[in-house]
Amino acid sequence: KNEVEQSPQNLTAQEGEFITINCSYSVGISALHWLQQHPGGGIVSLFMLSSGKKKHGRLIATINIQEKHSSLHITASHPRDSAVYICAVSPDSNYQLIWGAGTKLIIKP
Amino acid sequence: ETGVTQTPRHLVMGMTNKKSLKCEQHLGHNAMYWYKQSAKKPLELMFVYNFKEQTENNSVPSRFSPECPNSSHLFLHLHTLQPEDSALYLCASSRGTGELFFGEGSRLTVL
Repeated sequence: KNEVEQSPQNLTAQEGEFITINCSYSVGISALHWLQQHPGGGIVSLFMLSSGKKKHGRLIATINIQEKHSSLHITASHPRDSAVYICAVSPDSNYQLIWGAGTKLIIKP
Repeated sequence: ETGVTQTPRHLVMGMTNKKSLKCEQHLGHNAMYWYKQSAKKPLELMFVYNFKEQTENNSVPSRFSPECPNSSHLFLHLHTLQPEDSALYLCASSRGTGELFFGEGSRLTVL
């Protein structure tokens, strides 16, 4: 079993739908990262959080440290949100992150 | 634009060639990373440099040779690669163990 599990692996939705991507981890962490990778390859950091909830535009990330679980939500989804969303955790405030396999999201117009 | 620039974006090389990937950041970050991303696999950390000193080397074969002349520049020297080394190589930087900023990646094909 991987130490960072994401679900679903693939998600297809219609424009405007509310999207939820989940990340569960099995190790103690100091922080959790959500990142976005578009087909061109570049990766963009969306959130880094260690507790509670963060919001940026239509994106919301939550984390429950006790349950070792985080969710990434996208409100009013748009085709430009189509990308791979990756969860990664930092176990001990060191430079090694443990990476999830990613969730491929497709938003249809 | 993340502030991290990688060149070249695409590279095709034979198994006997020697080439280098370059990464540059002017974000004032102290840490720089090389990651490998193969199809259908999570990112694999290859090397980490903190203030020009290598802090992580994840059992990477010696045909990959990193160089960090200063906190703003990172190179990955490639020689006698194998076809299975074909992948997307991503550079990233961070301030301490904070948020990562990635370059666009260098897509390497080894023939």
